[in-house]
Amino acid sequence: EDQVTQSPEALRLQEGESSSLNCSYTVSGLRGLFWYRQDPGKGPEFLFTLYSAGEEKEKERLKATLTKKESFLHITAPKPEDSATYLCAVTTDSWGKFQFGAGTQVVVTP
Amino acid sequence: GAVVSQHPSRVICKSGTSVKIECRSLDFQATTMFWYRQFPKKSLMLMATSNEGSKATYEQGVEKDKFLINHASLTLSTLTVTSAHPEDSSFYICSARGVVEGGRQPQHFGDGTRLSIL
Repeated sequence: EDQVTQSPEALRLQEGESSSLNCSYTVSGLRGLFWYRQDPGKGPEFLFTLYSAGEEKEKERLKATLTKKESFLHITAPKPEDSATYLCAVTTDSWGKFQFGAGTQVVVTP
Repeated sequence: GAVVSQHPSRVICKSGTSVKIECRSLDFQATTMFWYRQFPKKSLMLMATSNEGSKATYEQGVEKDKFLINHASLTLSTLTVTSAHPEDSSFYICSARGVVEGGRQPQHFGDGTRLSIL
């Protein structure tokens, strides 16, 4: 059975304290892995798409990497505005249907 | 680019009322739209997938007569919650994606609709 697992469930960081979030997956025929951030009461905001093992994408303080079994979202020197729930999703079919992980809630304190 | 507008953002209504939620892709053509439901502090649960001009495909356990989906154009999909009851209260979110490229296009999400049934 396909599975997407995110860890940790919650992460509390001091401003400037770098850390990593994990998304491990067991699926057949990965077509893409996607990272989103979601603020309370809002829809998810697209961050990155990763397609193949070894791929890396960067945007400001965020960097996403992909291996054959997992993806990491690295947050470098986070700021309070990086506080959000970070979701990863995988797709295995041609219609792009997502299977989401449960998310990691990140809180960055000044 | 890739903006999805969802309306209304919040609905409060009496039990037995039907509620329609609209999802529009503003700057791209959405060949596929998805409808999700999200419970507090939980991840998104896919309800159905709709492709323009064809019937929606519902996930197991989702009542298609309760949640009517119409995807009449490449920029608009609607979800109608028929005869809503308090247990239908939830946060509903739509997403849209453009031309299929082997399933690799990201989904772009609306800001959700908070539905409260009294």
